[in-house]
Amino acid sequence: GQQVMQIPQYQHVQEGEDFTTYCNSSTTLSNIQWYKQRPGGHPVFLIQLVKSGEVKKQKRLTFQFGEAKKNSSLHITATQTTDVGTYFCAVHTGKLIFGQGTTLQVKP
Amino acid sequence: GAVVSQHPSRVICKSGTSVKIECRSLDFQATTMFWYRQFPKQSLMLMATSNEGSKATYEQGVEKDKFLINHASLTLSTLTVTSAHPEDSSFYICSASPGTGLNTEAFFGQGTRLTVV
Repeated sequence: GQQVMQIPQYQHVQEGEDFTTYCNSSTTLSNIQWYKQRPGGHPVFLIQLVKSGEVKKQKRLTFQFGEAKKNSSLHITATQTTDVGTYFCAVHTGKLIFGQGTTLQVKP
Repeated sequence: GAVVSQHPSRVICKSGTSVKIECRSLDFQATTMFWYRQFPKQSLMLMATSNEGSKATYEQGVEKDKFLINHASLTLSTLTVTSAHPEDSSFYICSASPGTGLNTEAFFGQGTRLTVV
């Protein structure tokens, strides 16, 4: 089945630094979704990308979908302690398959 | 956004007993719901797809006789962990979507933390 590889697994940053997580697939993706899971919580939908080369922004978060639709990234500018959590990419193929996730720790 | 409610949030059971987890879509109907399992510091692993009015579709390696899924109505799916053992201890989460098709966001229940002692 379709799989997505996500890196890095963990990222520790100082508050104010930027953060990026990457999602890669060996096959072309029809769409990619991003979710955030706070410690002890459940995943919450952030955004969906469907078009080649698509870029979407949500305040300090920038989401990109590659031209070949095989990779995606989530970039957070000037991280804050509230950004702490695990960020997952996921592909919807009739069922939602998650990447491994990147856990972000932010030092105040 | 849409609301998915999962109950109970935590359960401790003795080895060999069965535990039922409920997943309800509160403000929409869901012909399909999904059940995931998440071990500490790991990703969500899809266990099965719950289909209203028909049998669930299980992912490879998931025992259908151990993890019984019932989707009797458009707003309720249940997962029963039968003859639970300590290795079944995990975080179980359900999800559902108001719409159909690939471009639909998923809404998750709060999750159930199962501890088998």
